[in-house]
Amino acid sequence: SQKIEQNSEALNIQEGKTATLTCNYTNYSPAYLQWYRQDPGRGPVFLLLIRENEKEKRKERLKVTFDTTLKQSLFHITASQPADSATYLCAGPISSGSARQLTFGSGTQLTVLP
Amino acid sequence: SQTIHQWPATLVQPVGSPLSLECTVEGTSNPNLYWYRQAAGRGLQLLFYSVGIGQISSEVPQNLSASRPQDRQFILSSKKLLLSDSGFYLCAWSVDSYGYTFGSGTRLTVV
Repeated sequence: SQKIEQNSEALNIQEGKTATLTCNYTNYSPAYLQWYRQDPGRGPVFLLLIRENEKEKRKERLKVTFDTTLKQSLFHITASQPADSATYLCAGPISSGSARQLTFGSGTQLTVLP
Repeated sequence: SQTIHQWPATLVQPVGSPLSLECTVEGTSNPNLYWYRQAAGRGLQLLFYSVGIGQISSEVPQNLSASRPQDRQFILSSKKLLLSDSGFYLCAWSVDSYGYTFGSGTRLTVV
């Protein structure tokens, strides 16, 4: 079955460094992937969408890549700050193509240490 | 601007009691609406989605049901809650396949 997988281990990095989070997809070809930020007890907040024909997309300190050969998306936060500490979720359409319904990975908890 | 309201924020219900969670959207027309559940430390599981009034699709068999009586209103219900229904319930809307906007969630504890 189609899967979105994230490294469920927590990631701790020092303030000012670049955080890199990984999202792998298996058994299908999503037309796009999305990244969300979720703070404890809150709903996820949409950050970025990248389409399969886009290699890279940037928004302020955020950068997302989409590698269809590796079946992977990387999410980077440059010059990380303690305020970036949160769980980051990767999501893709529920089936190959561009279905509206999303399936989510289990998230990676990022802690930026001052 | 578009906003989404979800209530209540927390709920403690006994096993066997009914459930009704409500979600309303403002500032957009004919949105796609979704109900997700998030178990502790787990990813989001899609429960229901709707592309229009009265149009509900269920992703997993379960003890829950959903209804969309108005364009911008989405309701999650159960006639009799089970312990396994505990979790964090999230309503979301989208237009086309762009990013979802989520509500603030309802923490449901079935005791």
